[in-house]
Amino acid sequence: ETGVTQSPTHLIKTRGQQVTLRCSSQSGHNTVSWYQQALGQGPQFIFQYYREEENGRGNFPPRFSGLQFPNYSSELNVNALELDDSALYLCASSLSASGTLEQFFGPGTRLTVL
Amino acid sequence: QQQVKQSPQSLIVQKGGISIINCAYENTAFDYFPWYQQFPGKGPALLIAIRPDVSEKKEGRFTISFNKSAKQFSLHIMDSQPGDSATYFCAASISNTGKLIFGQGTTLQVKP
Repeated sequence: ETGVTQSPTHLIKTRGQQVTLRCSSQSGHNTVSWYQQALGQGPQFIFQYYREEENGRGNFPPRFSGLQFPNYSSELNVNALELDDSALYLCASSLSASGTLEQFFGPGTRLTVL
Repeated sequence: QQQVKQSPQSLIVQKGGISIINCAYENTAFDYFPWYQQFPGKGPALLIAIRPDVSEKKEGRFTISFNKSAKQFSLHIMDSQPGDSATYFCAASISNTGKLIFGQGTTLQVKP
C-alpha cells in the first residue's frame, strides 16, 4: 500500500509569483485535505476535496485554490505569493465521506517565498 | 471557540519516565480528538485518537485521557524512550466537517 506522496519537496519562489503543489493520496482514499504549517506552529486547515468537489474551506483567501482529479490526486495552487505564505504545506488523505477520521499526512512541501 | 490550546510548549523527560501533554477546547461540538507525532522534516503521523463517549483509550505505551465536562484531554507516554523525541500535536474536529483544528504543538525531548 502506497502512502501519501507530495511533490516537490522544496520550492523557492519570489513574491507575486504563482505556485502549484501536488499530492497523491494513499491507495483507495477518496478525500484529500490541505494544511499550511508555519514554522513552530500547528497545521492550519486550508480546504478539503471529496470526489473532485471542494468539501469545506478554512480561513484562507481565494488566491489559495485547489483541484482533485478522478484518480483522487490533488493540486494546491497559490497565486500572488506573499512572504507570509512561506510554510510547510501538508496534504492528508482519508477514506471517509466526512473526511475527518484517520487523516494520513504526506511529508509536505517546504515553500519559501523571497 | 474553534481553538485548541496545548501545553506545555516543550517538555524534557528522562528515559523511562512518563510524558504528559495537555489540551483544552471550547467547542462542545467537537467529537473526534486525535494526537499526532511529527519528526523534523516529516509530516504528522497519527498516534491515537478518541471520541468523547469514552474517558480513556490505551494503545501500547500511549494513553489518551478525556474529560468531557472539563473539555480537556491529555496524552500520556509511559516508559518514554529517546526515540519518542518529537513534536506532538493534539487536534479536534467535528466529524462531518473534514477539518482538523490543531494545537500549537509540544516539543518532547527524552534524555537517555
